[in-house]
Amino acid sequence: SYVLTQPPSVSVAPGQTARITCGGNNIGSKSVHWYQQKPGQAPVLVVYDDSDRPSGIPERFSGSNSGNTATLTISRVEAGDEADYYCQVWDSSSDLLVFGGGTKLTVL
Amino acid sequence: QVQLQESGPGLVKPSETLSLTCTVSGGSISSYYWSWIRQPPGKGLEWIGYIYYSGSTNYNPSLKSRVTISVDTSKNQFSLKLSSVTAADTAVYYCARHRDDIVGALGGMDVWGQGTTVTVSS
Repeated sequence: SYVLTQPPSVSVAPGQTARITCGGNNIGSKSVHWYQQKPGQAPVLVVYDDSDRPSGIPERFSGSNSGNTATLTISRVEAGDEADYYCQVWDSSSDLLVFGGGTKLTVL
Repeated sequence: QVQLQESGPGLVKPSETLSLTCTVSGGSISSYYWSWIRQPPGKGLEWIGYIYYSGSTNYNPSLKSRVTISVDTSKNQFSLKLSSVTAADTAVYYCARHRDDIVGALGGMDVWGQGTTVTVSS
């Protein structure tokens, strides 16, 4: 089965740039979606199809995907960005949906 | 805008069947894919399975033998049944809608329910 690997945690100071990676075999050939989940809340889609943003998501959130790594980039990080972030793909060969293990973003 | 609401018992006994319903309001269940996802306490997200409004389904292989997802378009609802539950099935259960922006593919999930906590205990 397809596996997505994320770092358990990422720390960044306010105003700096946070990069959260999502590794998978030839992930560049798949569409990657990213979710933000704050404590006690449902996940929110922040980036879809590698690099598109749903309406209402700040431009500070961006994504890229190439080779074996997809990256969620959060520019000018704010305290309110502190949350768990999950990457997700749909593996068309098996018709299965896969989540990464999640990354806890800490704003110092 | 479209909203999802999960409903069902919050407590299920071991070996029994967990049953949840997701009600779609503010829009139609038609022409979309819909998924169930769960999150055990303190852990990450686990996809359970999806259903298309026409009734076609696919399930996580780790749960496939115990899961059934069904749809009732007349009620704008879809449902989850998980049989033979154990304490390991204790989790927050979410329903979600997939974007329809990619033909023939399962898009990202842009609408989520608030989640419902299900505890398996005698």
